[in-house]
Amino acid sequence: GENVEQHPSTLSVQEGDSAVIKCTYSDSASNYFPWYKQELGKRPQLIIDIRSNVGEKKDQRIAVTLNKTAKHFSLHITETQPEDSAVYFCAANPGLGNSGGSNYKLTFGKGTLLTVNP
Amino acid sequence: GAVVSQHPSWVICKSGTSVKIECRSLDFQATTMFWYRQFPKQSLMLMATSNEGSKATYEQGVEKDKFLINHASLTLSTLTVTSAHPEDSSFYICSARVYTGNQPQHFGDGTRLSIL
Repeated sequence: GENVEQHPSTLSVQEGDSAVIKCTYSDSASNYFPWYKQELGKRPQLIIDIRSNVGEKKDQRIAVTLNKTAKHFSLHITETQPEDSAVYFCAANPGLGNSGGSNYKLTFGKGTLLTVNP
Repeated sequence: GAVVSQHPSWVICKSGTSVKIECRSLDFQATTMFWYRQFPKQSLMLMATSNEGSKATYEQGVEKDKFLINHASLTLSTLTVTSAHPEDSSFYICSARVYTGNQPQHFGDGTRLSIL
């Protein structure tokens, strides 16, 4: 099955700095990679996702890059703000869009606790 | 759009009680819903995949007789923790996918279950 590794487990930055979180995956058939933000005691919220037919996607201060050859993808947050503080999870799905796939289930990384200091 | 409602948000009950948790997609149809368990400061662990009108698919190590899943309609899936014990205490979260196309999972608010 799929295995997703996420680093670092904790990340502390100053407000205005950039933050980068990296994930690797093991299943070369994986072709969908979402990122979720989870504040304490709340639901995970989708912040950005990328499919394997693109290498980069950007949405305002958030961007995700994907390197299929190396099987890794990264989340980039620029101009960080205190409200960006949360746990961020990467995930991979091996069968999205493919017939007879995995029923679209996700394998999650262990999470990164991001703290943005004012 | 893509709102998932989960109830109850918090349950405290005695050991041996069965607890039912509901997961509803409010503004979309979901043929597939997922049930996760999350321990404090840990990741989301998939328990089972719930498909409308068919039996759920459980992940390895998850007792299907312990965690009963029913997905009777395109907008509702339920998880029943049978004869709950303190070790079942956890944060349970459901998610749902939009019926058509390659769409992401959207999560409910979760249910914090505490068994005394």
